[in-house]
Amino acid sequence: QQQVKQSPQSLIVQKGGISIINCAYENTAFDYFPWYQQFPGKGPALLIAIRPDVSEKKEGRFTISFNKSAKQFSLHIMDSQPGDSATYFCAASPSGTSYGKLTFGQGTILTVHP
Amino acid sequence: ETGVTQTPRHLVMGMTNKKSLKCEQHLGHNAMYWYKQSAKKPLELMFVYSLEERVENNSVPSRFSPECPNSSHLFLHLHTLQPEDSALYLCASSQPGTGVYEQYFGPGTRLTVT
Repeated sequence: QQQVKQSPQSLIVQKGGISIINCAYENTAFDYFPWYQQFPGKGPALLIAIRPDVSEKKEGRFTISFNKSAKQFSLHIMDSQPGDSATYFCAASPSGTSYGKLTFGQGTILTVHP
Repeated sequence: ETGVTQTPRHLVMGMTNKKSLKCEQHLGHNAMYWYKQSAKKPLELMFVYSLEERVENNSVPSRFSPECPNSSHLFLHLHTLQPEDSALYLCASSQPGTGVYEQYFGPGTRLTVT
């Protein structure tokens, strides 16, 4: 019940295309859903996050879509650029703790071809 | 130094060695985390310290021993490791509080056990 399932494992997109990564969860106690971006040799960095009270959040070219009834959320990268090539992780955290207790998906390796 | 730093960046050790990983955060946070990142697996939360008290220990073998002497420093002491412990070990920090879950990661220590 603590798992977060992420797909696809890898994704290849042409420059200017849309990248879509999907995640699904089971634990209804999760109430915070961040996406992290990780470049080689670096730690993950927070990209964008959403809470269940909204169905969509957009920051620049990055959008999270959230479907509470389906327990699914996804990351859309519009106008994908070669600089977006990285590994993306979705995560989820429950309420009830004063610190973050993130459960991560397996990650998606995104490659954007010029 | 800014953010979260980790030393060493790379470590090769034999199964009988004893070594320590060090993490330091310069963000004024009060919660610190150790994660294990293995290829094609989700990030695994190992330990959480909040206000210098260990609040999470996710069934981690005793050959991993954390230490948090103050809110800025976190150590992971290693002894008699196994080859399957080879992985990237990530440290993170956050500022506890209601609904504040953003975690800031260091670059990680790449550990190889021979």
